[in-house]
Amino acid sequence: RKEVEQDPGPFNVPEGATVAFNCTYSNSASQSFFWYRQDCRKEPKLLMSVYSSGNEDGRFTAQLNRASQYISLLIRDSKLSDSATYLCVVNLLTGGGNKLTFGTGTQLKVEL
Amino acid sequence: GAGVSQSPSNKVTEKGKDVELRCDPISGHTALYWYRQRLGQGLEFLIYFQGNSAPDKSGLPSDRFSAERTGESVSTLTIQRTQQEDSAVYLCASSLGRMPGTDTQYFGPGTRLTVL
Repeated sequence: RKEVEQDPGPFNVPEGATVAFNCTYSNSASQSFFWYRQDCRKEPKLLMSVYSSGNEDGRFTAQLNRASQYISLLIRDSKLSDSATYLCVVNLLTGGGNKLTFGTGTQLKVEL
Repeated sequence: GAGVSQSPSNKVTEKGKDVELRCDPISGHTALYWYRQRLGQGLEFLIYFQGNSAPDKSGLPSDRFSAERTGESVSTLTIQRTQQEDSAVYLCASSLGRMPGTDTQYFGPGTRLTVL
């Protein structure tokens, strides 16, 4: 089983739609969680951290479910500019230090 | 201020040659990470440096791969005897490192390596 699993998509949605992505992780000791965004042929950039209580940033809402070991990202009122690959990232503190594991990403295409 | 920079931006080499990739982190960032991203794939962790601690090399795929970091500045990733399977974008990221693993990573633009 992969350490971090995501549905690769693509998710094709019309502008204005609400779309949600899930990500599951295998190590229950994972400590911190993030969503990164990667545009085509660009480097990843942090979209938002994911807190236990859930957090919202404008049209974006992130949730964490430790019991079921998944995190989610909800995008409301999607824009054309939201088209990108969304990477789920999980941090695990090991004896050798911190290790961030990236999922393979979920591709979103927002269409007119 | 300046972000993470990497050089070269593109590198084409012949199978069997050695290559050296460079990363200049953001000034003051104590943590530095190297990742590999093959075409259409996710990011693959390679190595992590934190201050003066021993690096976490758990992601290096073979002994052909090595990386060094001078203090809390420049890092170089060296791939010896390159193989075609090494073709990928190599991304470097740095972070403040005050709370390693929880603070934001800033990525460089990557080096696109093509092994012929």
